Amino acid sequence: ETGVTQTPRHLVMGMTNKKSLKCEQHLGHNAMYWYKQSAKKPLELMFVYSLEERVENNSVPSRFSPECPNSSHLFLHLHTLQPEDSALYLCASSLGRRSEKLFFGSGTQLSVL
Amino acid sequence: DQQVKQNSPSLSVQEGRISILNCDYTNSMFDYFLWYKKYPAEGPTFLISISSIKDKNEDGRFTVFLNKSAKHLSLHIVPSQPGDSAVYFCAAYSGAGSYQLTFGKGTKLSVIP
Repeated sequence: ETGVTQTPRHLVMGMTNKKSLKCEQHLGHNAMYWYKQSAKKPLELMFVYSLEERVENNSVPSRFSPECPNSSHLFLHLHTLQPEDSALYLCASSLGRRSEKLFFGSGTQLSVL
Repeated sequence: DQQVKQNSPSLSVQEGRISILNCDYTNSMFDYFLWYKKYPAEGPTFLISISSIKDKNEDGRFTVFLNKSAKHLSLHIVPSQPGDSAVYFCAAYSGAGSYQLTFGKGTKLSVIP
């Protein structure tokens, strides 16, 4: 138990669906992250929020839309995804910049049909 | 272009022996390095880190060595235990204000009883 909870654990969606991934942290951290792990690729940073403000956006397609309503919650809204978006999506949190202790959730395994 | 490379996708070691996991990097701006460990169906967890001003950091059975001139780091696990079987990720930060943690693809370690 890392203190970072992601739901759902698994998600299958069609290309025309709209779904959301949810992340919640109980650690009192200020920064929250979305990472993507595709098969045979390194973890890729997608978005970073610090104190609810987006501070990093790594050229992610607009079909991925993050939302951070408060410092404990982070969402990733998905719409009109492509099959190549199938991957493990990991949420993480940290106390701040360059934090060695990035705490990850267990991830959402997403399959786009 | 991968900036953090883990060239061995997998490694098998006998229980009680030393495990050595290697990592190379290309970005000379990287100044803080971390190792994460990941079990199946879980998110990565922080293991050990090293700053570029050091060449060695030790924590129990885990030691990380950094060779800046060769842009190479390694993780030593002594003695290896079956519970160490996991995927190990090398990662690096550049810059004091960075949120961007760049990961390698990972090495799957199997410790054989």
